[in-house]
Amino acid sequence: GAVVSQHPSWVICKSGTSVKIECRSLDFQATTMFWYRQFPKQSLMLMATSNEGSKATYEQGVEKDKFLINHASLTLSTLTVTSAHPEDSSFYICSAPHRVGGLLAGGNEQYFGPGTRLTVT
Amino acid sequence: AQSVSQHNHHVILSEAASLELGCNYSYGGTVNLFWYVQYPGQHLQLLLKYFSGDPLVKGIKGFEAEFIKSKFSFNLRKPSVQWSDTAEYFCAVKGGRRALTFGSGTRLQVQP
Repeated sequence: GAVVSQHPSWVICKSGTSVKIECRSLDFQATTMFWYRQFPKQSLMLMATSNEGSKATYEQGVEKDKFLINHASLTLSTLTVTSAHPEDSSFYICSAPHRVGGLLAGGNEQYFGPGTRLTVT
Repeated sequence: AQSVSQHNHHVILSEAASLELGCNYSYGGTVNLFWYVQYPGQHLQLLLKYFSGDPLVKGIKGFEAEFIKSKFSFNLRKPSVQWSDTAEYFCAVKGGRRALTFGSGTRLQVQP
């Protein structure tokens, strides 16, 4: 099946520094990828939609200047948390849609990366 | 806009008990529905999905879900839970937008 990887799996950084998280689709191309954030004991919240060849689309309340997204190729999207603060500490998860099934009965299934745990000290 | 609500936030069951987790969605058009499981310290895994066809969907590990369009529901069921089913369960819907919208999650605790 389709695989999505993320790097790094965890990172600790000091307040004020920037951190880059990579999301790769390993065996399929993804013109769109999604970035989610999950706080402890909470659900996944969509942060932004990463679009290859165009600007990312951010959800309401997500600062685009703080969370920079670059969809560099059909298999890679990066999320850079700029000037990180302790409140940015969270679990960041990316996903990419990939069509499964036949033309009539199939649909787009989301394949999730394993997540990146960011801790800002 | 699409939304999902999961009514049970925390469920505690004994082993071999039957499980049903509620999920209701809000969206007027065609939907794709999913149930994901997240074991402690691990990433999301797809349990099952509904795109079209038979509304009773069977997934991995003995789980199944029934899509009832008239009730906008997609409840997850398992006839007999095991201790290893202890995890967080998320219902998700894909409607008009390509991203998934997740419910708040249900924490299932199975006691041996």
